Amino acid sequence: EVQLVESGGGLVQPGGSLRLSCAASGFSFSNYWMPWVRQAPGKGLERVANIKPDGSEKYYADSVKGRFTISRDNAKNSLYLQMNSLRAEDTAVYYCARDRGGATTIDYWGQGTLVTVSS
Amino acid sequence: DIQMTQSPSSLSASVGDRVTITCQASQDISNYLNWYQQKPGKAPKLLIYGTSNLETGVPSRFSGSGSGTDFTFTISSLQPEDVATYYCQQYGTFGGGTKVEIK
Repeated sequence: EVQLVESGGGLVQPGGSLRLSCAASGFSFSNYWMPWVRQAPGKGLERVANIKPDGSEKYYADSVKGRFTISRDNAKNSLYLQMNSLRAEDTAVYYCARDRGGATTIDYWGQGTLVTVSS
Repeated sequence: DIQMTQSPSSLSASVGDRVTITCQASQDISNYLNWYQQKPGKAPKLLIYGTSNLETGVPSRFSGSGSGTDFTFTISSLQPEDVATYYCQQYGTFGGGTKVEIK
């Protein structure tokens, strides 16, 4: 059974940093593109970053470029999102997910972790 | 960047009604279009991939069609458990969502 479990969310002040982690199990992690998708309260879905299976390619939404860094450790079946210079508008539930078909289709999602940026 | 315009943003229909949601891409995306269902407080769930392919385990009342820039998602007979928000998606871009309620 595919499982994606996020951790690391919480309350942080504007300008602060936070690192999200995602523990993957039940599939061959090193074979899949992995994205982070967020959803602000009452809003729609936004893919903020995704990373190639071997970590050699990474893509970011314009809204987070230069502030967020996606990474992975295939030996630990883990995905990460380092978030720096956080802003109020980064407040959202952050989902770790699995992409199949070469980053075209998100077929599994974690339960999400809430990040709140507020003073 | 490709923009995905989804409509309507919300709808209300009766149980048993046929429900249709549209998604328009700002440029030709071939058939790389997926549909997701999200219930309150839950993660999204993949329903349709590649425009018209039903994900395993998804009821056959859900279907998708289209090509190029214009796509349609249909629930053939709305059920109470279908109350949710539905999103189209093309690669990294999601539509704005359609909230479906029971009248």
